[in-house]
Amino acid sequence: GAVVSQHPSRVICKSGTSVKIECRSLDFQATTMFWYRQFPKKSLMLMATSNEGSKATYEQGVEKDKFLINHASLTLSTLTVTSAHPEDSSFYICSARPLTANQPQHFGDGTRLSIL
Amino acid sequence: GEDVEQSLFLSVREGDSSVINCTYTDSSSTYLYWYKQEPGAGLQLLTYIFSNMDMKQDQRLTVLLNKKDKHLSLRIADTQTGDSAIYFCAERRWNTDKLIFGTGTRLQVFP
Repeated sequence: GAVVSQHPSRVICKSGTSVKIECRSLDFQATTMFWYRQFPKKSLMLMATSNEGSKATYEQGVEKDKFLINHASLTLSTLTVTSAHPEDSSFYICSARPLTANQPQHFGDGTRLSIL
Repeated sequence: GEDVEQSLFLSVREGDSSVINCTYTDSSSTYLYWYKQEPGAGLQLLTYIFSNMDMKQDQRLTVLLNKKDKHLSLRIADTQTGDSAIYFCAERRWNTDKLIFGTGTRLQVFP
């Protein structure tokens, strides 16, 4: 149980393109989902907390207009990297926390984004 | 400081035990987690421990928590080549859903 699906797994696109990444909880509901960015051989950096039905909460230094987050249902959150540039190339990982109190976050398999 | 610290690298022989250590930062942290990451993949939850516990065992995995020293460890018994991966500890601080991740330990298992 507690499966999180992230799609696509890999994206290669030209500079200036906007890219949407989906994060779905397949067998549970999640009012809260999280978006992380991971640089090569580094730890995970929390970008934002996505709350169902309300605005996302962004971490300091993360541009909300650059990384648009939508959490329209209890099983789906999307991250859109707008007008992507090479410096946005990274590994993006989402996680979801089940509604039940004190349950751990479960992670998707990540999206490798490469901007040419 | 703010960082959750882990040693960068651990190399063990197949069949031996592995111990991965983590020093976290906030004594009010409620839950502490261990995640495994294989190359190019997301994070797999291995186990977690509530802060009022000292130890938790789950098959080959044993978690020890020293709250006084803010030290967490993960012991993997009978380590296998399939255990080769990066292991992250993470703390969940009081009154928040956010996780603070450690720097990650790369475990390499050799025959």
